[in-house]
Amino acid sequence: NAGVTQTPKFQVLKTGQSMTLQCAQDMNHEYMSWYRQDPGMGLRLIHYSVGAGITDQGEVPNGYNVSRSTTEDFPLRLLSAAPSQTSVYFCASSREGANTGELFFGEGSRLTVL
Amino acid sequence: KQEVTQIPAALSVPEGENLVLNCSFTDSAIYNLQWFRQDPGKGLTSLLLIQSSQREQTSGRLNASLDKSSGRSTLYIAASQPGDSATYLCAEFSSNTGKLIFGQGTTLQVKP
Repeated sequence: NAGVTQTPKFQVLKTGQSMTLQCAQDMNHEYMSWYRQDPGMGLRLIHYSVGAGITDQGEVPNGYNVSRSTTEDFPLRLLSAAPSQTSVYFCASSREGANTGELFFGEGSRLTVL
Repeated sequence: KQEVTQIPAALSVPEGENLVLNCSFTDSAIYNLQWFRQDPGKGLTSLLLIQSSQREQTSGRLNASLDKSSGRSTLYIAASQPGDSATYLCAEFSSNTGKLIFGQGTTLQVKP
C-alpha cells in the first residue's frame, strides 16, 4: 500500500516559470490537502478538497491553483513561481476530513525558486 | 486568532529518560488535537489523536493528554530511545475556524 505519493521530490525553478506538484493517494480518501512548511512558520494550509470536484482555499492560497477531478489525485499548480514560494510542500489525506481522523502525509516536495 | 505554541523548540535527553513535550493552544472551541512525528527530510506521521471529549490517549510508550480548560496538551514519552529522536508537532482542529493549525514543533534528541 503506497499511501500518499508526491512527485517530484526536488525541483528548482526560475522566477516566472510554472509547474505542477503531483499528489496521489490509494486509500480512497475523500479529504486531500496541501501544506507548505517553512522555518519558523510551521505548516500552513494552502488548499484542500473534501471530495472529487470540490476544492477550497486554506490560509495561504495566493499563487497556487488546485483541481480535484478524481478521488485519487490532487495536483498543486504554481502558475508563475516566485522566490517566496521556495518551501517544502506536503500533501496529506484523510478518510473523511481533517477534523475527524488521522492525516496521512506524503514525504514532501522540496521546491527552490531562483 | 487561533495559535498553537510548542515549548521548548529543542530538547536533548539521555537514553532511558521519561520526558514530556508541551503544546499550548488559544482556541477554546477545540474539536481535536493531534500529535505528529517528523523525521528529517520526511513527511509527518500521526502518533495520537485526542477528541475534545477525551482526556488522554495512549499508544505503546506514548501518552497524550488534553486539558481544554488550560489550553494545554502534553505528550509523554516513557523510557526514551535514540530511535525517538525526531521533531514532534501538535496540531489543533478548531470548531470555530474549521482549520487544523500546527505548532512549530519540538526537536528531540535522545543520546545513547
